[in-house]
Amino acid sequence: NAGVTQTPKFRVLKTGQSMTLLCAQDMNHEYMYWYRQDPGMGLRLIHYSVGEGTTAKGEVPDGYNVSRLKKQNFLLGLESAAPSQTSVYFCASTIHLAGSKDTQYFGPGTRLTVL
Amino acid sequence: KQEVTQIPAALSVPEGENLVLNCSFTDSAIYNLQWFRQDPGKGLTSLLLIQSSQREQTSGRLNASLDKSSGRSTLYIAASQPGDSATYLCAVSSRGGSNYKLTFGKGTLLTVNP
Repeated sequence: NAGVTQTPKFRVLKTGQSMTLLCAQDMNHEYMYWYRQDPGMGLRLIHYSVGEGTTAKGEVPDGYNVSRLKKQNFLLGLESAAPSQTSVYFCASTIHLAGSKDTQYFGPGTRLTVL
Repeated sequence: KQEVTQIPAALSVPEGENLVLNCSFTDSAIYNLQWFRQDPGKGLTSLLLIQSSQREQTSGRLNASLDKSSGRSTLYIAASQPGDSATYLCAVSSRGGSNYKLTFGKGTLLTVNP
């Protein structure tokens, strides 16, 4: 199993440009998550999905959109990038069997810089 | 709103020392508590998961405890090694609508000196 993979690993954007980050998991997990990690802020949840075709807002959803057309993929879109979106983005997934035993599996991250 | 605090923010120890990392949380209605390790420029790796009904979990030189009523957890690392140098993150899982949400602390940066 490759686990959770993220594409791309690095990206530099200019303000106003758009891009899509791809997350893929091969573990047949139901739940998928997008986080951003900033110095001094810890990890914050952007959006999440509880199954194919579903999405929901997390703690910091503004400026981002997501889609989960296939169970194994979760896409994070930036329609008009801003310097405040410079961050490291992590995708995670979990099988969600019984809640208390679930652990989230994380991808390696995408480092995004917006100039 | 759940808040997770980790103390200390950074810790530097000589190789071989036993050490304790601390985590506290404000809402005791949790499903589990997890400790993660993050190496520089890398993703998070789950180290230990303690279910809300459990008191501790052990894996090798790592032992994590949970006192749900007081909102505290500790990660004990025995006989520390330079390879243990990393950021350690504590996260609690709680229910938020249809989601089992993880709330993270800001982490403890551990440096083990040879």
